[in-house]
Amino acid sequence: EAQLVESGGDLIKPGGSLRLSCAASGLIFSNAWMSWVRQAPGKGLEWVGRIKTKSEGGTTDYAAPVKGRFTISRDDSKKTLYLQMSSLKTEDTAIYYCTPMETITGSEFIAFDIWGLGTMVTVSS
Amino acid sequence: QSVLTQPPSVSAAPGQKVTISCSGSSSSIGNNYVSWYQQLPGTAPKLLIYENNKRPSVIPDRFSGSKSGTSATLGITGLQTGDEADYYCGTWDSSLRAVLFGGGTKLTVL
Repeated sequence: EAQLVESGGDLIKPGGSLRLSCAASGLIFSNAWMSWVRQAPGKGLEWVGRIKTKSEGGTTDYAAPVKGRFTISRDDSKKTLYLQMSSLKTEDTAIYYCTPMETITGSEFIAFDIWGLGTMVTVSS
Repeated sequence: QSVLTQPPSVSAAPGQKVTISCSGSSSSIGNNYVSWYQQLPGTAPKLLIYENNKRPSVIPDRFSGSKSGTSATLGITGLQTGDEADYYCGTWDSSLRAVLFGGGTKLTVL
């Protein structure tokens, strides 16, 4: 059974940096496009960004609110996904989930089928 | 503000049927697959529908999905109190090159 475990969430001051990790098991991690999705307290789901497989260039895409501040990377040997966050703002406060993107040929995105428990990031002075 | 529009809330009695709409554009729903998620209080989202109308094997057939043009609909029949949750639609936007989620719909089973 596939499992995702996010970690690294913390209380951080505005302008600070933080790196989140997501350890995957039970799936062929190196073949998976991976995404980060966040949810602010009492709010809806918001896609953060994605990274394709190494064989497809490891290309990344980001949502407009985080572009230029957040970087997604992956270590397939460790089956781990990372989210490096910098210039953090109070509006980045959220639970951060990592999830593999289900895709099929000719489609960029089908669904998010597997979710971890998430890790909480609080940006506050 | 979400680019996919959902009603903030819907309600119905136990045993009844409810539908939740999700409205997008030609670059989002109009040309991409729609998925639906259920989020019970304090838990991570759970996939209900993918590729517009397909259900994972663990999801009961009380849940259904459809898509027409730039809109999609989630249907739930035989409502149970355990269905009380937030429901989200999601899709890819080819112009933004981003995954979009609807703002979410809170289902109350009266």
